[in-house]
Amino acid sequence: GNSVTQMEGPVTLSEEAFLTINCTYTATGYPSLFWYVQYPGEGLQLLLKATKADDKGSNKGFEATYRKETTSFHLEKGSVQVSDSAVYFCALSVGSNYKLTFGKGTLLTVNP
Amino acid sequence: GAGVSQSPSNKVTEKGKDVELRCDPISGHTALYWYRQSLGQGLEFLIYFQGNSAPDKSGLPSDRFSAERTGGSVSTLTIQRTQQEDSAVYLCASSFLGGQTDTQYFGPGTRLTVL
Repeated sequence: GNSVTQMEGPVTLSEEAFLTINCTYTATGYPSLFWYVQYPGEGLQLLLKATKADDKGSNKGFEATYRKETTSFHLEKGSVQVSDSAVYFCALSVGSNYKLTFGKGTLLTVNP
Repeated sequence: GAGVSQSPSNKVTEKGKDVELRCDPISGHTALYWYRQSLGQGLEFLIYFQGNSAPDKSGLPSDRFSAERTGGSVSTLTIQRTQQEDSAVYLCASSFLGGQTDTQYFGPGTRLTVL
């Protein structure tokens, strides 16, 4: 079956620090990969996505590269802000109905 | 509407009662998904609709759970004889399936508490 493993949180950083949240996956077939973000009190929002190997998704200073050889899609940001504090979910979809399989989520707290 | 809406936002019920959760997808979106977010299980897929049909119900946890979609729009998730383990946030998402992977837009969720 399909599964996503992402690093356990919580992650606490100071403002302007470098962020990496690791995500690896197993999939039957050729998945598309996503990062979703859930800000406090808000719904899930798509942060970025990549649909094929070596694609780089980017948005709001966040980046992730689809690495087929290592089955990974790590999320990075060079300089985090307090406003980036949220829960981040790595996810994949395979097949024609595009249902999402999520990781457990990583809580990020950025302190000023 | 501008986004996916869900109602109610919060629902508290007693064990054994039935509940109905509603989802209004983005206008024109052909696909609709229900997910459940709970502390123990994380985010889990429940059911997928394409139009009014549900070709994938594989995530429904038991026969107490059912869902329907009418007019290719509004969907209702029904939980019969609720149990405490049903307590979770139920999320709805919609997308326009036009070929390659399509972005799912999520609603704010319904927080269900079963006492």
